[in-house]
Amino acid sequence: AQSVTQPDIHITVSEGASLELRCNYSYGATPYLFWYVQSPGQGLQLLLKYFSGDTLVQGIKGFEAEFKRSQSSFNLRKPSVHWSDAAEYFCAVGPPMDSSYKLIFGSGTRLLVRP
Amino acid sequence: DAGITQSPRHKVTETGTPVTLRCHQTENHRYMYWYRQDPGHGLRLIHYSYGVKDTDKGEVSDGYSVSRSKTEDFLLTLESATSSQTSVYFCAISESNLDEQYFGPGTRLTVT
Repeated sequence: AQSVTQPDIHITVSEGASLELRCNYSYGATPYLFWYVQSPGQGLQLLLKYFSGDTLVQGIKGFEAEFKRSQSSFNLRKPSVHWSDAAEYFCAVGPPMDSSYKLIFGSGTRLLVRP
Repeated sequence: DAGITQSPRHKVTETGTPVTLRCHQTENHRYMYWYRQDPGHGLRLIHYSYGVKDTDKGEVSDGYSVSRSKTEDFLLTLESATSSQTSVYFCAISESNLDEQYFGPGTRLTVT
């Protein structure tokens, strides 16, 4: 069965430090991949997506993610974290050649930013 | 921001009562989804719709029903609310099944 794993429930970084959030997926083929961010009390906002092509994708708010097929991973990175990045981050995968319309979400990683 | 609204935004109800949540979009997107969000589970799909009157079940559909009589509205009904259905409910829309989904602001439902 398809699944998405975000192994870190919480991550704390200092403001200005670099960030990497991990995402691993289990899927029969290369899926579509997404990262969403959720600020407290808000809905989810799309940060970036990967469908095909260049494996390094750029998103909003200075985030990027790299698709690594050999590791079934799609890790999210940011070179310098800002206090406003404190939020919960969700990785999701979708079926590219499937008649279903379902995204499968990871359980999320909560990012805390130290001043 | 995609034009998605959810109503109500907050609701407290008693066990055994029916509850209907509404999702309204102004984007004319074909696909609409209902998710629930619970700590440690991320988002789980309840039901989705791929057109007017076309709906299907997600992974946690038991105890829920949906209806879509117009492109812009997708209703989620809890036929007889239980405490296990206390959650935050999100509606999402997408233009096609291959596109990203845009999320509404959520409805916090408490079943006492």
